[in-house]
Amino acid sequence: SQQGEEDPQALSIQEGENATMNCSYKTSINNLQWYRQNSGRGLVHLILIRSNEREKHSGRLRVTLDTSKKSSSLLITASRAADTASYFCATDAVAGGTSYGKLTFGQGTILTVHP
Amino acid sequence: DAGVTQSPTHLIKTRGQQVTLRCSPKSGHDTVSWYQQALGQGPQFIFQYYEEEERQRGNFPDRFSGHQFPNYSSELNVNALLLGDSALYLCASSPAFGKSYGYTFGSGTRLTVV
Repeated sequence: SQQGEEDPQALSIQEGENATMNCSYKTSINNLQWYRQNSGRGLVHLILIRSNEREKHSGRLRVTLDTSKKSSSLLITASRAADTASYFCATDAVAGGTSYGKLTFGQGTILTVHP
Repeated sequence: DAGVTQSPTHLIKTRGQQVTLRCSPKSGHDTVSWYQQALGQGPQFIFQYYEEEERQRGNFPDRFSGHQFPNYSSELNVNALLLGDSALYLCASSPAFGKSYGYTFGSGTRLTVV
């Protein structure tokens, strides 16, 4: 079953605009990760935020995490045509302190950035 | 530095056949996970291998099996293929079992069952 639910399912913007994608999840997590996927190819890891963190930045990316609302958001600032891709959030289940690499993905947000 | 390598890139099989997909993890990585991604969906976890043992398994039937070799490479085997097994199969590697990292994914194998 999919734990993460991304919103919106699709987002279309112009180059230079900001893009915000949201993710909700259902169970307690150790961390939440965001990945990008271009045209049905492999996933690229963007950023990992741990459950005790509220905000994290990486270049033009900003991720927030609200564990009380079980939600996260990914903001891409000053978007470029090359940012066109599907974006997935994934939660990492940890049992007894051990991560088993069992990432649970949402269905993704399809971002289209028009030149 | 080579990332995760998967082969073949595309494969067409007939219902009832068996298939083997291969994965070489990123250099320095010893843990391999496999995911199935149906069209328009997010990836779903199949299983994870470390030290040549299956450590965790997702909700997949026994038709899905795997193996990890001493050089950390891995195979995914699917028996008695069904049309519903058509998907992109992704391999992901990480540098330390039991630790939570961002995973490195391969480009996947596109399996079509006809």
